[in-house]
Amino acid sequence: NAGVMQNPRHLVRRRGQEARLRCSPMKGHSHVYWYRQLPEEGLKFMVYLQKENIIDESGMPKERFSAEFPKEGPSILRIQQVVRGDSAAYFCASSPGRGPYEQYFGPGTRLTVT
Amino acid sequence: RKEVEQDPGPFNVPEGATVAFNCTYSNSASQSFFWYRQDCRKEPKLLMSVYSSGNEDGRFTAQLNRASQYISLLIRDSKLSDSATYLCVVNKDTSYGKLTFGQGTILTVHP
Repeated sequence: NAGVMQNPRHLVRRRGQEARLRCSPMKGHSHVYWYRQLPEEGLKFMVYLQKENIIDESGMPKERFSAEFPKEGPSILRIQQVVRGDSAAYFCASSPGRGPYEQYFGPGTRLTVT
Repeated sequence: RKEVEQDPGPFNVPEGATVAFNCTYSNSASQSFFWYRQDCRKEPKLLMSVYSSGNEDGRFTAQLNRASQYISLLIRDSKLSDSATYLCVVNKDTSYGKLTFGQGTILTVHP
């Protein structure tokens, strides 16, 4: 029973490049959350998506960041023109429904911007 | 004031000890509560949900006091494998799971 999958696990980008992070939820889950953990900080909510819909993106930086969860395929978090401050661990979590259900996290993508 | 506050520790305890962690939250409208553990900045893993009546799972007991906006986690008979960062997590929203995490409490269990 596969859990939440994320890839790549590690991603190195130079300043100004684009980063694409992918998340496949657990089987049977159609709700995806993205969280970011900056070095020495706690996890912070970024965005909540259902298939083909962004429900809440209140935690996303206003510029350069976008997220999608298409009908087919994984959810993607896209960061354009990365800067050093984007270096962090990005975790995706999934849940089976829209309510305040328990969330199960993927292994994360560690983004390093050089 | 942080939305979810935890004592960062570290707590250093011997095997077999009982240790308790506390957490307070600021939003009285918060609806659901969890404890997660995180090992060496790997992904958070759900330890247990926390209910008003209190709940127990093996050596772990969680309590919620809504009036005081306070959550606790008790670990009995600590094992070396319990060494981790324990995250207090609160969901303010009734309609979906927008989680707010505490900074975490570091626990080290030594032989």
